[in-house]
Amino acid sequence: NAGVTQTPKFQVLKTGQSMTLQCAQDMNHEYMSWYRQDPGMGLRLIHYSVGAGITDQGEVPNGYNVSRSTTEDFPLRLLSAAPSQTSVYFCASSADRVGYTFGSGTRLTVV
Amino acid sequence: GQQLNQSPQSMFIQEGEDVSMNCTSSSIFNTWLWYKQEPGEGPVLLIALYKAGELTSNGRLTAQFGITRKDSFLNISASIPSDVGIYFCAGQPQGGSEKLVFGKGMKLTVNP
Repeated sequence: NAGVTQTPKFQVLKTGQSMTLQCAQDMNHEYMSWYRQDPGMGLRLIHYSVGAGITDQGEVPNGYNVSRSTTEDFPLRLLSAAPSQTSVYFCASSADRVGYTFGSGTRLTVV
Repeated sequence: GQQLNQSPQSMFIQEGEDVSMNCTSSSIFNTWLWYKQEPGEGPVLLIALYKAGELTSNGRLTAQFGITRKDSFLNISASIPSDVGIYFCAGQPQGGSEKLVFGKGMKLTVNP
């Protein structure tokens, strides 16, 4: 049982590049979320999903897209990377929309 | 939007001491959660609270869901070096939203 798996663990992008952060869970959880963590800001919700085919915006969605074609996968796409998107990104999943299990994060630097 | 005020922001304690931290909000929350994050890792759920007044323990950790549903506290007794990390409170706003709100965290340092 791997839990929540995020790839890559580290990434450096140039401004304007696009990329996809991968997230997969093997716990058959319906609820999945993406957060970003910045120093002194805690965790802020980017997008979330309540099941396959259903996604919604969180607190800071601008510049990011998501899709949920399967229960297991919830990729986060950066459309045109900006230095303000330098952050640590966490994917999380939950069976009860409350007790989330987090991945180990992707550390993204945009130069 | 809803915000959680977590205090203190950091604490430095000696091994063996107890430590308390709390989280408050101006809004009502249906659920309170406490997470711990260690360097380079994602947050790990420590305790979940579902009812106002609920007091729950997990080993040396004790947490309570405030009667007003606008606050929660976490207590760690007899601290040990591996308690080092950042502790986050989180809450599910009234209305059953899937959007968990997180506090900004409390960084705990334990001196051996």
